[in-house]
Amino acid sequence: GAGVSQSPSNKVTEKGKDVELRCDPISGHTALYWYRQSLGQGLEFLIYFQGNSAPDKSGLPSDRFSAERTGGSVSTLTIQRTQQEDSAVYLCASSLGGTGAYNEQFFGPGTRLTVL
Amino acid sequence: AQSVTQLGSHVSVSEGALVLLRCNYSSSVPPYLFWYVQYPNQGLQLLLKYTSAATLVKGINGFEAEFKKSETSFHLTKPSAHMSDAAEYFCAVTSRGSQGNLIFGKGTKLSVKP
Repeated sequence: GAGVSQSPSNKVTEKGKDVELRCDPISGHTALYWYRQSLGQGLEFLIYFQGNSAPDKSGLPSDRFSAERTGGSVSTLTIQRTQQEDSAVYLCASSLGGTGAYNEQFFGPGTRLTVL
Repeated sequence: AQSVTQLGSHVSVSEGALVLLRCNYSSSVPPYLFWYVQYPNQGLQLLLKYTSAATLVKGINGFEAEFKKSETSFHLTKPSAHMSDAAEYFCAVTSRGSQGNLIFGKGTKLSVKP
């Protein structure tokens, strides 16, 4: 079956522009996570969605970052007024969710964002 | 707050040699522990996880890890390295009863020499 897909795979943008990153989770997975992977900070949790519940936004680094998940499936991470420090690989993961913190998270290939 | 420490950002072994990648966690309550592998330009793939069943956990590709509560460790081993094992390995932790967001170590890049 299909895994987690992300688009675009690469995105180059200019400082100050807005970008949208898309994640298609595995069908039937109710939990969806966004992480950021950068050279300086390693892998960091950004935001978590579980079904129709309010998302946990505790990992978002600033109010320029937002995310939504439509219909409990596809998610979009939006970064407004991009800065050079936003350059990183943005990874999306999905899992069966529920109360299983031990559930395996399946990761997408990531979107490499470069802010010039 | 939970944290994960991976000793050694780079480890180099010869093909056929033992692989040992170290991971120590900081948590007041034994957490769930995971090892993920990342091949170049790919996402992360789960190798194995500890969820409080057996303390010795076997994973894919011949890897295993042992949970040692007294040492707060979860080191990853493989008896005999293969060239295809060259990748970056991440140890991660999440709290029991949490929503599952992972806290990752900084990663260890494994090189395998022929």
